[in-house]
Amino acid sequence: DTEVTQTPKHLVMGMTNKKSLKCEQHMGHRAMYWYKQKAKKPPELMFVYSYEKLSINESVPSRFSPECPNSSLLNLHLHALQPEDSALYLCASSLVAGIDEQYFGPGTRLTVT
Amino acid sequence: KNEVEQSPQNLTAQEGEFITINCSYSVGISALHWLQQHPGGGIVSLFMLSSGKKKHGRLIATINIQEKHSSLHITASHPRDSAVYICAVSSNYQLIWGAGTKLIIKP
Repeated sequence: DTEVTQTPKHLVMGMTNKKSLKCEQHMGHRAMYWYKQKAKKPPELMFVYSYEKLSINESVPSRFSPECPNSSLLNLHLHALQPEDSALYLCASSLVAGIDEQYFGPGTRLTVT
Repeated sequence: KNEVEQSPQNLTAQEGEFITINCSYSVGISALHWLQQHPGGGIVSLFMLSSGKKKHGRLIATINIQEKHSSLHITASHPRDSAVYICAVSSNYQLIWGAGTKLIIKP
């Protein structure tokens, strides 16, 4: 299984809502990533988990809260988002953080109203 | 100046043409990646290379470490190759991304 799955595919939320994005992989990868991608731009790294510990937080606002319950799962909890947070959120995984090929999920298209 | 530069930004070609996309970088790297993104989102890793040349089907990727330059070639291009192709480098345990090249192959 070389797949990274993400749910939901699309999400529309108001600025006062709380929602979560989910990511799962069963490749035995020990590094997992969250990226944010705006239209016509490359992905921007948000968070990196290595061996279930947060190793990189790219100065992301606290309204985004990552969680890695186990080596296969990665969540991104969303609260009090702003319209400018609307974007494609991509999850990826790799065998080891930073040096290996990354496998990407299909992304969650988030719209904040 | 960006640490990873791609050219061209946009490329339109006819079906069957030989395609070349270039990538130059200015940082020390442990590997260079070529990725493909179709409209609608999902990113697929095409190649990861640290030296020489790799081939997969109609795709060929080369890297020249001394010149800090890589190329992605597509032979016998097809409309289904239309996508954004992104060069990224692994540096200091992170990926540094190029801006991408939008490729359109017309039938």
